[in-house]
Amino acid sequence: DTGVSQDPRHKITKRGQNVTFRCDPISEHNRLYWYRQTLGQGPEFLTYFQNEAQLEKSRLLSDRFSAERPKGSFSTLEIQRTEQGDSAMYLCASSLLRWASTDTQYFGPGTRLTVL
Amino acid sequence: KQEVTQIPAALSVPEGENLVLNCSFTDSAIYNLQWFRQDPGKGLTSLLLIQSSQREQTSGRLNASLDKSSGRSTLYIAASQPGDSATYLCAVSYLLGAGSYQLTFGKGTKLSVIP
Repeated sequence: DTGVSQDPRHKITKRGQNVTFRCDPISEHNRLYWYRQTLGQGPEFLTYFQNEAQLEKSRLLSDRFSAERPKGSFSTLEIQRTEQGDSAMYLCASSLLRWASTDTQYFGPGTRLTVL
Repeated sequence: KQEVTQIPAALSVPEGENLVLNCSFTDSAIYNLQWFRQDPGKGLTSLLLIQSSQREQTSGRLNASLDKSSGRSTLYIAASQPGDSATYLCAVSYLLGAGSYQLTFGKGTKLSVIP
């Protein structure tokens, strides 16, 4: 397995445009997380899925943001009507939570978004 | 609200030196604590994970300790090398309810190891 992958790696867009990012988790992992990281800060939790169910959403996830994991495998994060404040690195992570497991999260390389 | 603080924000050491990075958190009701490494413009690599019932974990030249009651963790790096230069992030996982967990990160310590 090659780990968590994200596409695209870089995205430059104009303010007001919609963007969509994709995350492919490690194949057997049942949990998938999205984080946002701005320069000089640690990642901030946005949302996570267990299989196809979205179980938690941060207050950072405004109504312009939507995330899906339709078949419990890959996930997409869409940002509508982008704003300059959305410029950040968007990180995806996956984990396998089973009884007595540690729920270690494995991160992808991230998608760097620049909103002009 | 859980808050995670890392001290120092940046550290520069000569090659070969042993060093300690510090992490503190405000809510001791954590599920586990992880230390990550992040290279510039890259994703995160998990280094060590300590369950709330454990006191320390070791991997090679790295040793992480956890004192849950005082809300502190340290990452000890022995015999530092230039390849250790990166930002080190501490993150605590805690249970929100109904099997739902959340990771809260510190801002990281940027380590530079000078050859």
